[in-house]
Amino acid sequence: EIVLTQSPGTLPLSPGERVTLSCRAGQSVSSNYLAWYQQKPGQAPRLLIYGASNRATGIPDRFSGSGSGTDFTLTISRLEPEDFAVYYCQQYGSSPLTFGGGTKVEIK
Amino acid sequence: EVQLVQSGAEVKKPGESLKISCKGSGYSFTTYWIGWVRQMPGKGLEWMGIIYPGDSETRYSPSFQGQVTISADKSISTAYLQWNSLKASDTAMYYCAKTRSSWAFDIWGQGTMVTVSS
Repeated sequence: EIVLTQSPGTLPLSPGERVTLSCRAGQSVSSNYLAWYQQKPGQAPRLLIYGASNRATGIPDRFSGSGSGTDFTLTISRLEPEDFAVYYCQQYGSSPLTFGGGTKVEIK
Repeated sequence: EVQLVQSGAEVKKPGESLKISCKGSGYSFTTYWIGWVRQMPGKGLEWMGIIYPGDSETRYSPSFQGQVTISADKSISTAYLQWNSLKASDTAMYYCAKTRSSWAFDIWGQGTMVTVSS
């Protein structure tokens, strides 16, 4: 099983700031099958990025993903008020699929 | 519009059985895998398993193998998650989610809250 470690656990930020979230895998993620999801309170998760760097349908271009192998990053170029949420990474290159523990982006 | 609609919240007693559902619409139900994800109160996401409705091929997370059963009825575009004997520790929100061509989950159901309490 591939363990995904997200850091930091919580990130206090202000609107307009640039955000960089980290997801580190315990072993290489096959085919860079790494996704990022956003979850707001009381809502289902929403797919932001798949294949490490591909934006999902309807996702604003301020969200971008990068990385390969074991180290992946989600960047939000300029935080909007609606971006305060919890972000999860997920690897789907091998079974069992696994999620990271999440990073909460909160208002400073 | 592609969507997954899940069955409503459930309150059960320990030892009872339960089957919750997830109905797909707006796409070819038999062509994409559907996964189930658990989220315990205040916690993160846990992958439980996944099914291909076209032929009912199923994979389980080792953590959930033998604890739940995933099935699908392609004639009514519905996937299911089933317990034979619920425990208090099964109290959680359960999401179904449709995959893209690979196993990233692009469409999620609204979630079904299951509460198990005596």
